[in-house]
Amino acid sequence: NFMLAQPHSVSESPGKTVTISCTRSSGSIANNYVQWYLQRPGSSPTLVIYEDNQRPSGVPDRFSGSIDSSSNSASLTISGLKTEDEADYYCQSYDSTNQVFGGGTRLTVL
Amino acid sequence: QLQLQESGPGLVRPSETLSLTCTVSGDSVSNYLYFWGWIRQPPGKGLEWIASIFYGGTTYYNPSLQSRVTISADSSNNEVSLRLTSVRAADTAVYYCARLRSTRYDFWSGYYDRWGQGTLVTVSS
Repeated sequence: NFMLAQPHSVSESPGKTVTISCTRSSGSIANNYVQWYLQRPGSSPTLVIYEDNQRPSGVPDRFSGSIDSSSNSASLTISGLKTEDEADYYCQSYDSTNQVFGGGTRLTVL
Repeated sequence: QLQLQESGPGLVRPSETLSLTCTVSGDSVSNYLYFWGWIRQPPGKGLEWIASIFYGGTTYYNPSLQSRVTISADSSNNEVSLRLTSVRAADTAVYYCARLRSTRYDFWSGYYDRWGQGTLVTVSS
């Protein structure tokens, strides 16, 4: 089994750029797609990145995803931060027997 | 437009069986393009995948819950159901129904592109 580690919280100012990391504990991050979801308080999760770096229709191009094999981690980058981006962000990946979510990162835009 | 509506008892006593239903509208649970699943979230905590199903009846379970969970699909009522036996306080959570899509037609690599609003289940005597 493996885990996905995310920072508990990050904060940044409006208009700036923030990056949220997701580190895989075992197995190669590059061999299994990573998805990203955002969840605003009291709402259901929403997909923002799938298959490492693909944006669903309707997600602004301020959101981007990447993979770094050297650190065995995935990253979600949000540029031009807006107050509406304030939410919890979860990464998710898998192996041959399980789908696993990271613990989530609370993004504060202040 | 796709809608997923979860329904359940709200309150379940410890050691009893929890039964949840997800009613799908705007799509068919028999649609071979998608899988359907359940994910839960304890209050103030993160997401945990529980189980998923494909229209042909193929099921997938979280290894940590597999001994207590059964997922099924009813194409006539367009519903996906979840049963969780021997519930305990740690099973208290919001339970979400979600649709999974996979460009590889492989469940494990898929992503949840639509979610229901969730239903809160509390396990307490």
